[in-house]
Parts: sequence; structure tokens; C-alpha cells
Amino acid sequence: VQVVESGGGLVKPGGSLRLSCATSGFTFSNTWMSWVRQAPGKGLEWVGRIKSKPNGGTIDYGAPVKGRFIISRDDSKNTLYLQMNSLKTEDTAVYYCTTLPPNSADFWGQGTLVTVSS
Amino acid sequence: DIQMTQSPSSLSASVGDRVTITCRASQGIRNDLGWYQQKPGKAPKRLIYAASSLQSGVPSRFSGSGSGTEFTLTISSLQPEDFATYFCLQNNSYPLTFGGGTKVEIK
Repeated sequence: VQVVESGGGLVKPGGSLRLSCATSGFTFSNTWMSWVRQAPGKGLEWVGRIKSKPNGGTIDYGAPVKGRFIISRDDSKNTLYLQMNSLKTEDTAVYYCTTLPPNSADFWGQGTLVTVSS
Repeated sequence: DIQMTQSPSSLSASVGDRVTITCRASQGIRNDLGWYQQKPGKAPKRLIYAASSLQSGVPSRFSGSGSGTEFTLTISSLQPEDFATYFCLQNNSYPLTFGGGTKVEIK
């Protein structure tokens, strides 16, 4: 199993960034996928989740990112995305792509650092 | 939103000690709770799902209990590799919420 995030970097407040999460080794199309973030020295925060298409493909977001972030998936590429718009300094964090419950499997990427600073 | 209150925020323990960490939910979440271990610079790793089920490959010294609003993670005999930060996660309702974390340090 491989879960590899990419796309992090330094961006100015108000800017945009798109993260990707490339996966292999499991049936991505049947898996509910989540983004979780961790600000430097802080705890874990759930960003949002996209269900599998057989389960409706619905998307839920945490309040701090709702209306600014968009989660999507491309099952043909086994890839998850996070489009981040109107970025704020408080969005600075390591962003993880993961399979949270109710998935029985526990897969995490290595994380990608997003720094929002002028 | 469901708030997860985790305690203690940190603890010091010795190898071989029994360690208990608690998470309290602001409302009932049945058994929709998991426990995660995170080491510095690494991604979290799930230890327990559905409050008391051991994730595949996790040592049996880890156990979970509880339902409703009170949950406990127990490490029966602390090993050197267990010094880490532990988080609970409720997956009963959106938004999913994590506890604040418990850092387990060497005494």
C-alpha cells in the first residue's frame, strides 16, 4: 500500500493551492477518503471526507474550511485532491490523506506541509 | 459538534507501567471511537477501532473500552516504543473530531 501526498508549499494569504494524494495497493474506488491536518506543534484536525461513489460520493467538511476547500477524487487515477482557496495563516499545517473509520483499513500518507505566510 | 475531551494532556511513566488515557464525548457516540498513536514527525497510526477492537498488527498490550460518552485506552505494560502522543477520534457524526492528545513521556 502506498499513499503519497504532494503539492504542499509556501503560499501567501488569500492564495490557492491544490494537494494531491496518489494511492496504490488497495481498492481506492470503494474507500472513503479523508484529509486531516496538523498545525505545527498542535493536535489533529479533521478537514473533510469524500465517500466512495457506490456510497453516493458525498462530501463533508469541517467548519474552518467549509466554503474555501474542495475535496474531489479521480477513481480512474486512484487519486484524492484537496483544492484550497482563500488560504489563511491558520491553515498552515501538515496535511495528511487517510482512510478513517468506517474503513477497516488504516492508511496514511507521509503528509505534505502547507505554509501560508506573507 | 461533538467535543472530545481527552485526559491527561501528558503523563510520565516508566517501562512496565500500566497507563490509562481517557476520552469523554460531549454527547453519546455509541462505540464510534478510535485511538491513534503518533510519533514525532510521523503520521498517526490506528490502534483501536469501534472503541474496543484491536487494529490488525497492534500488540495486545493495547486495549480499549467504553461506550456512550466515556472511553479508555489502556497500555498494560508500557514498552520503550510506546512513548508517543495518543489521540482519540469520534466517527459518530460530522464533523469528525479528535481529542486534544496525551503525550506519554519517559519518567
